[in-house]
Amino acid sequence: GQSLEQPSEVTAVEGAIVQINCTYQTSGFYGLSWYQQHDGGAPTFLSYNGLDGLEETGRFSSFLSRSDSYGYLLLQELQMKDSASYFCAVRDQGYGQNFVFGPGTRLSVLP
Amino acid sequence: DAGVTQSPTHLIKTRGQHVTLRCSPISGHKSVSWYQQVLGQGPQFIFQYYEKEERGRGNFPDRFSARQFPNYSSELNVNALLLGDSALYLCASSLVVGADYEQYFGPGTRLTVT
Repeated sequence: GQSLEQPSEVTAVEGAIVQINCTYQTSGFYGLSWYQQHDGGAPTFLSYNGLDGLEETGRFSSFLSRSDSYGYLLLQELQMKDSASYFCAVRDQGYGQNFVFGPGTRLSVLP
Repeated sequence: DAGVTQSPTHLIKTRGQHVTLRCSPISGHKSVSWYQQVLGQGPQFIFQYYEKEERGRGNFPDRFSARQFPNYSSELNVNALLLGDSALYLCASSLVVGADYEQYFGPGTRLTVT
């Protein structure tokens, strides 16, 4: 089986820092991606970790620990426009290249 | 450059009918994947195509099929529609198979089955 777990909801205020965790259990692993999806919109790619460690892209950072089957997305200097759902996704080592998305974390940024 | 485009935007079908959804990838992208997203859940992988060949298949029944054309556009077909097929169907493209951790999603087709 394969599964990803994320908190269902996170709330924070503008200017704050928030961390969204993702734990995974898959038969294989080819890296962890993060996507953002606003209500009514399409998912957009944020970050990718193929190896352990921290990747930084502007206000967003993502971390991966393969030994712990764990990663997180860190959002700094939160803005109202960051209110959205955030999904982690891994490629499972199955037939072809199956991507498994987590259930998503709904982030609400308050003024 | 245009992003990933999908048609139609919305679709209402009756149980038992057939539906065809279409996707055009970003120019130069050769890999196309299809996902089903039910409200409040993450996208579920259905198919991946690369260079007109199926490279991945998710856990969906045989009622779901797809194909990719020489211009890399793709169609998703669903036969014998069920109420549970109501969802947002997303198409995503990536440059090559090896770089498909970064996928570009289209706006989706909202399918309602009544």
